[in-house]
Order: sequence, then structure tokens, then C-alpha cells
Amino acid sequence: SQKIEQNSEALNIQEGKTATLTCNYTNYSPAYLQWYRQDPGRGPVFLLLIRENEKEKRKERLKVTFDTTLKQSLFHITASQPADSATYLCALSRDDKIIFGKGTRLHILP
Amino acid sequence: GAVVSQHPSRVICKSGTSVKIECRSLDFQATTMFWYRQFPKQSLMLMATSNEGSKATYEQGVEKDKFLINHASLTLSTLTVTSAHPEDSSFYICSARDPGTGMNTQYFGPGTRLTVL
Repeated sequence: SQKIEQNSEALNIQEGKTATLTCNYTNYSPAYLQWYRQDPGRGPVFLLLIRENEKEKRKERLKVTFDTTLKQSLFHITASQPADSATYLCALSRDDKIIFGKGTRLHILP
Repeated sequence: GAVVSQHPSRVICKSGTSVKIECRSLDFQATTMFWYRQFPKQSLMLMATSNEGSKATYEQGVEKDKFLINHASLTLSTLTVTSAHPEDSSFYICSARDPGTGMNTQYFGPGTRLTVL
């Protein structure tokens, strides 16, 4: 069955450094890979989408890479700030359905 | 981005009662909406896909008679948890896909915290 693994349940990063989150998947060939941010008690907020034929996508301080050979995506937040602290969800989709990972709780330490 | 609202944000009910949760797309029309459930520290689990004007499609293991879904208009889908029990306590989140974006991106509501006593 399809499986998504986000490498860390929690990650602590010093303010100003780059935070890197990893998403690995098996038994799936997604057409899209997406990253969402979720704050406690709130619904996920869409951040970035990258297609299977794209290697990298950027948006302001965010960068996503997608390696379909390794079946892996890396999500980077540069110049991290305490306000970036949240849970980040990796999600895969091919048709209308989206499959989510469990997320990584990121703590940016001041 | 597109805005999706949910109501109520929090509900506490007694065991055996039914609870209705509304999901609205505020600035776009959504022919398809999705209902998820999320337990603490777990990923979002898709319960069903709600299609405007037709029956919902339920994921394996989700009881359609317990979780009634109605998608009566292009901006509103409702989820009714019938005869709720404590094990139904969870965070329920809806989402909608904005066909205008041309991408497979879902916009999520703020979620509804259901507590069944």
C-alpha cells in the first residue's frame, strides 16, 4: 500500500538557520507533491505544489525539491523565524485524492 | 488563495445524538469537496469525497450510514455524524478544490473539533 514518511516527528532549528524537512514515499507515482502548514487546532494551509516533471519550486523563503527517482521531496525554509514554527505536512496526489504524511513539527528557537 | 469555512468550530454533544458540520466555499464554486478526520499527532485521513448533485464516495472502512454527506449546492457540503459515540471524537476538516486554479490543490476549512461525552 502507499506509504508516506516524514523523517522527523519534531525538528528544532535555531532562528536564522535553514530548516530542511524530508518526505519519502513508496508504492506510489504521484503526479503532484504538495506541502501544507498546519497550526494547532487549525486546518492545513497550502504552501507549494510541485509537479512530477519539475525538480524544484521556490516561493519567497520556501524551496521544494522533488526527486521521483529517489521518491523524495525536500522542503526548505531559509532564514527561519519563530513564526515559522508549525507542523508541515507532505501530501501526494495523482487524481483528486490527496494522501497526507503525519507531518513534522518544526520549532524555530529564538 | 481560495477560502473555505466550517461551522461550528467546536461542538460537544452527548453520546447518541447527531451532529451536523457545514463546509462552505466562500469565493468559488466547488463541485467536489472532501471530508477528513484527524486524530492527535496523526495524518489527515480521507473519509469521503462529496460530489455536488450526486452521492458521496466513501473510503474503505468509513460507514456511509453513520457519516451522512450532503452536497446540495456548489458552495455547501454537510457532514452529519449520526448517533455519535465517544470514539467519534476527533478533528473533522473539509476541503474543496478550486477548479479555476487548474491545479490539484485543495483549500482546507479551519476544522471542527467534535467531542462526544
